Amino acid sequence: DQQVKQNSPSLSVQEGRISILNCDYTNSMFDYFLWYKKYPAEGPTFLISISSIKDKNEDGRFTVFLNKSAKHLSLHIVPSQPGDSAVYFCAASQDQTGANNLFFGTGTRLTVIP
Amino acid sequence: DTGVSQDPRHKITKRGQNVTFRCDPISEHNRLYWYRQTLGQGPEFLTYFQNEAQLEKSRLLSDRFSAERPKGSFSTLEIQRTEQGDSAMYLCASSVGGGLANYGYTFGSGTRLTVV
Repeated sequence: DQQVKQNSPSLSVQEGRISILNCDYTNSMFDYFLWYKKYPAEGPTFLISISSIKDKNEDGRFTVFLNKSAKHLSLHIVPSQPGDSAVYFCAASQDQTGANNLFFGTGTRLTVIP
Repeated sequence: DTGVSQDPRHKITKRGQNVTFRCDPISEHNRLYWYRQTLGQGPEFLTYFQNEAQLEKSRLLSDRFSAERPKGSFSTLEIQRTEQGDSAMYLCASSVGGGLANYGYTFGSGTRLTVV
């Protein structure tokens, strides 16, 4: 039972344009959401997070939007750069302060074309 | 101490053999997690420790799997009588307390297990 879903396995974007990666979840108890970036042969690295009390969090070129009513979040990368090419995982947790484990989506492979 | 270290990076074993992986977390991190990632999937939680105590195990962690964290430092994950379905990337992560705010977990590069 996949509680976090990333329905687009891949996305290609021209350098300089916006990349939008989407994520849906089913568990209304999820309270904290994160995006991880993964290069081949490396572990996932933390990118940006958002608490359920917010609907937007921005960090440089990366912005995460959360729509709790739709159980949907998205990651916007503007402008996209070739170095952003990686697999992006959305993850969710029921508790940001005492988190025991994360539920991950299946990932979206982003390719930024120079 | 530059991050979470996992050893070995790759392991090929014959079905039925036992394997053991090691994870060295960031030294000041008291929580340590094991995840498994199969092809085309995201990481799936296996178990976690707070210091030396193993506080939660996933139903994915069958009785052939055992994890330890003696002295609350490094951790080992052992798989007995390996099966082809155990082939996956095994990821270790560590964190300070359980807080995800700002930094989330720090993951290691993983151990890729291939059972032939």
